[in-house]
Amino acid sequence: GAGVSQTPSNKVTEKGKYVELRCDPISGHTALYWYRQSLGQGPEFLIYFQGTGAADDSGLPNDRFFAVRPEGSVSTLKIQRTERGDSAVYLCASSPRGSSYEQYFGPGTRLTVT
Amino acid sequence: QKEVEQNSGPLSVPEGAIASLNCTYSDRGSQSFFWYRQYSGKSPELIMSIYSNGDKEDGRFTAQLNKASQYVSLLIRDSQPSDSATYLCAVNRVGGTSYGKLTFGQGTILTVHP
Repeated sequence: GAGVSQTPSNKVTEKGKYVELRCDPISGHTALYWYRQSLGQGPEFLIYFQGTGAADDSGLPNDRFFAVRPEGSVSTLKIQRTERGDSAVYLCASSPRGSSYEQYFGPGTRLTVT
Repeated sequence: QKEVEQNSGPLSVPEGAIASLNCTYSDRGSQSFFWYRQYSGKSPELIMSIYSNGDKEDGRFTAQLNKASQYVSLLIRDSQPSDSATYLCAVNRVGGTSYGKLTFGQGTILTVHP
């Protein structure tokens, strides 16, 4: 079946602009996660949704970052007033309901802030 | 002290040898442990999960977990050049506000040379 999809695959924006990154999880997966990965580092947790609600947003670096999942499927990560330090690969993962906690990643969106 | 530590490598092994990748974690409440493989420019791919002490084998891969020592490892038997990638260790502390969050190490670069 189809895996996690993310759009766009690449996004170049100017400092100060607003961006939206989209994630479409594996069909039937109830949990959705956003991570950010910088070069040479492991992914860093941002936020976790169980259904429509954010169960844990402790990884969001500041109030410029916000994410929604209004219908419990597709999620959008929104970044306001982008800064050059926001440049990274933004990864989305999804996980089926149950106790395995296995997470499956999408291809990521490479964000470059100039 | 980092929550999840891996030797960044690079680890270089000849084709056909056993590659041994190691990971330590600091949170004794961690309950789920995962190994991801990440090829250059690609997203992490789940290859092994382990939840209880001991060994778990899947094909050429064996994951080992020792919760008392807070140590998890991945063995790759009969290493192939196609195994050359970065291997990421990830742990999950289930419960409370940390539910669902994966904490990653920085990854170990593995090179298998013919």
